[in-house]
Amino acid sequence: EAGVTQSPTHLIKTRGQQATLRCSPISGHTSVYWYQQALGLGLQFLLWYDEGEERNRGNFPPRFSGRQFPNYSSELNVNALELEDSALYLCASSLGAGQGIWAGGYTFGSGTRLTVV
Amino acid sequence: QKEVEQDPGPLSVPEGAIVSLNCTYSNSAFQYFMWYRQYSRKGPELLMYTYSSGNKEDGRFTAQVDKSSKYISLFIRDSQPSDSATYLCAMSRVAAGNKLTFGGGTRVLVKP
Repeated sequence: EAGVTQSPTHLIKTRGQQATLRCSPISGHTSVYWYQQALGLGLQFLLWYDEGEERNRGNFPPRFSGRQFPNYSSELNVNALELEDSALYLCASSLGAGQGIWAGGYTFGSGTRLTVV
Repeated sequence: QKEVEQDPGPLSVPEGAIVSLNCTYSNSAFQYFMWYRQYSRKGPELLMYTYSSGNKEDGRFTAQVDKSSKYISLFIRDSQPSDSATYLCAMSRVAAGNKLTFGGGTRVLVKP
């Protein structure tokens, strides 16, 4: 079974540019989550999508946005990049909120390392 | 103050020793508790999860939850060099859907 796949693996952007990160969930998973893992700050929750809709959002500015497609893959967009946006961006997937008992965990991808220069 | 506190380590132990990890939290609404392992340059991997208080064992791993003390633990028996990684605790409130709140992670080094 294929795991959660993220692309690209690495991304280098200039301050002020836009970055687009992509995620494909495990087959059968309808929920996709985005987390930011910056050095020294741990995993910070960004966004949760389920069945194509944004269900929850972390304490990040509006320039962090995303969407979920009908095939449940997802895209994270970061506009007007700032130096402090440099981090590992992790995508995870799980069974959706409406698919029965929540199993209690996500499956994470290997992440996209975004560097803003 | 962070919702979930975890000693960053590093925690260095000899091969075969018991590794003891823990997290404290402040929000009594957390219901689900998880431990993840993260190797360098990889995404976190789910090791254990428990619902509410109690113990759970899986092979060399034992997870404990004490909701009255707002304290969770992970024990790794017969530690191996391959257990060297960062261990993250995570928890969630049912009302918040599936959002997880993570501790900062403890780096563990098992020396041969």
